[in-house]
Amino acid sequence: AIQMTQSPSSLSASVGDRVTITCRASRDIRNDVDWYQQRPGKAPKLLIYSASTLQIGVPSRFSGSGSGTDFTLTISSLQPEDFATYYCLQDYDFPYTFGQGTKLEIK
Amino acid sequence: QAQLVESGGGVVRPGTSLTLSCAATSFTFSTYGMHWVRQAPGRGLEWVATIWYDGGNQYYADSVKGRFTISRDNSKNTLYLQMDSLRLDDTAMYYCARDRWQLGTEGIDYWGQGTQVTVSS
Repeated sequence: AIQMTQSPSSLSASVGDRVTITCRASRDIRNDVDWYQQRPGKAPKLLIYSASTLQIGVPSRFSGSGSGTDFTLTISSLQPEDFATYYCLQDYDFPYTFGQGTKLEIK
Repeated sequence: QAQLVESGGGVVRPGTSLTLSCAATSFTFSTYGMHWVRQAPGRGLEWVATIWYDGGNQYYADSVKGRFTISRDNSKNTLYLQMDSLRLDDTAMYYCARDRWQLGTEGIDYWGQGTQVTVSS
């Protein structure tokens, strides 16, 4: 199975900060990575698919990049509602695998 | 906007069975691959199973293979997860989710709100 190593596992930041979360795949997965946001007690929400395509309705401060094995999610200017947990997912091959998650907390 | 509503969760004993359902509305259910994803308390997301738009193929995580069965009834716009031989470590919130494509290979775009399954002796 393809392993997705996500870092950091937690991150403290302030409103207005720029933050970056990374996922590394255990082998080349082209651009088959998606990013999700999960707020406490809620279902995940799709932010980015195919590594860099913004899902409709998602604010433009979210962006994704990468291909092959290294991928990043960037939030350009943190807003209060962005404090949540973020996950990457590889959909290149079964079994699908998620990163371990990054909990973004208010500093 | 696609809507997915799970049901059927509950508290069960180890070794017993449970069937989850997911009712789909506001999209053409029969043209999309579908998934089940679970999340144990305080833990991350774990993919469980995927089924093609027509039910023609299914994929399973090793942790559930041989015990869980994913199926669908396109005439009822409903996805199912039959869970047999339940174990303590199957305790989780179970999410129904839609793939962006019919064969379930393009990632998840919509999620239900989840149904809780607790396996306890």
